Amino acid sequence: QQPVQSPQAVILREGEDAVINCSSSKALYSVHWYRQKHGEAPVFLMILLKGGEQKGHDKISASFNEKKQQSSLYLTASQLSYSGTYFCGTPGLGGQNFVFGPGTRLSVLP
Amino acid sequence: GAGVSQSPSNKVTEKGKDVELRCDPISGHTALYWYRQSLGQGLEFLIYFQGNSAPDKSGLPSDRFSAERTGGSVSTLTIQRTQQEDSAVYLCASSYRSGRGPSEQYFGPGTRLTVT
Repeated sequence: QQPVQSPQAVILREGEDAVINCSSSKALYSVHWYRQKHGEAPVFLMILLKGGEQKGHDKISASFNEKKQQSSLYLTASQLSYSGTYFCGTPGLGGQNFVFGPGTRLSVLP
Repeated sequence: GAGVSQSPSNKVTEKGKDVELRCDPISGHTALYWYRQSLGQGLEFLIYFQGNSAPDKSGLPSDRFSAERTGGSVSTLTIQRTQQEDSAVYLCASSYRSGRGPSEQYFGPGTRLTVT
């Protein structure tokens, strides 16, 4: 079952912060975050494997709450290069497949 | 090192024709994924290979779609009797598979398929 992401889209000015949420009605064992720029392939950002674990990538960090079956991606002091569509994803039960959320389109304006 | 490569990068075909899309994963990556992305849409999972085997083929949209992987490396996605709704970008990704599940996926540049 596909994770749900919110918001669908967000527009920021350079230097502003944003939060992208990912939740699932099913148990999440791990959450993966990717960014896809227009016309390009998705690029890996981070994996969260444990409940409550936070990871960081430059000024992008994330948290994972197993109990709430949700993860949040935090973009701090956004840069123009952060623009793109952010996808969360998770392996299915048994790891035989992989399901991505519908994506959140982030636009950072100068 | 070399990343994931896919060929062709673009394919235009007539409705009803068969097409083959190829993916060369990163050397040593045991896991390989195929996804489909329609214009402006998300990533639709198609099939996953661990080594040469695909435990779950339920993501394939119809029986016109098939995929194989040989030698634990190259994979081919075949679409028979293409339809206009098959038009999309087909992405391949590869990864290691650790004891804690799938690791980060490295995506190829995709094959843009247009069915006329």
